[in-house]
Amino acid sequence: QVHLEQSGAEVKKPGASVKVSCKASGYTFTSAGISWVRQAPGQGLEWMGWISVYTGNTKYAQNLQGRVTLTTDTSTSTAYMAVRSLTLDDTAVYYCARGELPDALDIWGQGTMVTVSS
Amino acid sequence: SYVLTQPPSVAVAPGKTARITCEGNSIGSQGVHWYQQKPGQAPVLVMFHDSDRPSGIPERFSGSNSGNTATLTISGVAAGDEADYYCQVWNSGTDCYVFGTGTKVTVL
Repeated sequence: QVHLEQSGAEVKKPGASVKVSCKASGYTFTSAGISWVRQAPGQGLEWMGWISVYTGNTKYAQNLQGRVTLTTDTSTSTAYMAVRSLTLDDTAVYYCARGELPDALDIWGQGTMVTVSS
Repeated sequence: SYVLTQPPSVAVAPGKTARITCEGNSIGSQGVHWYQQKPGQAPVLVMFHDSDRPSGIPERFSGSNSGNTATLTISGVAAGDEADYYCQVWNSGTDCYVFGTGTKVTVL
């Protein structure tokens, strides 16, 4: 079945960087884009950005532009999300999700907890 | 920036109907998607393009969208429907997905 498997929890210090992976299975990886969404503790969902797996084109949320980089490796069917210059406000669960713009996100990963703490 | 406003909470008795609204400027001209999120779990898509149900989602879930309000309706509410619900649109003006503020549905 269609599945997105994310990497494990991370603990980082302020100013550091983090890279989360999202491995796809059960479908043709290049047939759909991948969005990344985060959720701070007790808060709502925040869209971070999207990458076309087929073309490599990207779109980023304005407030994260320049700090977030989305990439894919089609040889391993894996998407990556990297955030640099982490602050305490980046503490959140990070999700990858499948979908082409402007369609819905139909399959979600299980989430990766990233904790930023000094 | 484009804002989608949802009521923070909706309480409904078992077997009754829950209506969750999502208000945004001219949202009726955009396709709205809805997600259900239970505690400690990833969101699950329950409605797309205003009123289409993914496979596996019960017919009790329905959607509509017109003017400045989109609505997710859950008929015959059951205890298993207790969750947070989020609406979402792709805003072409700002070139980004926007999520609603979220609604917690409580089954009394």
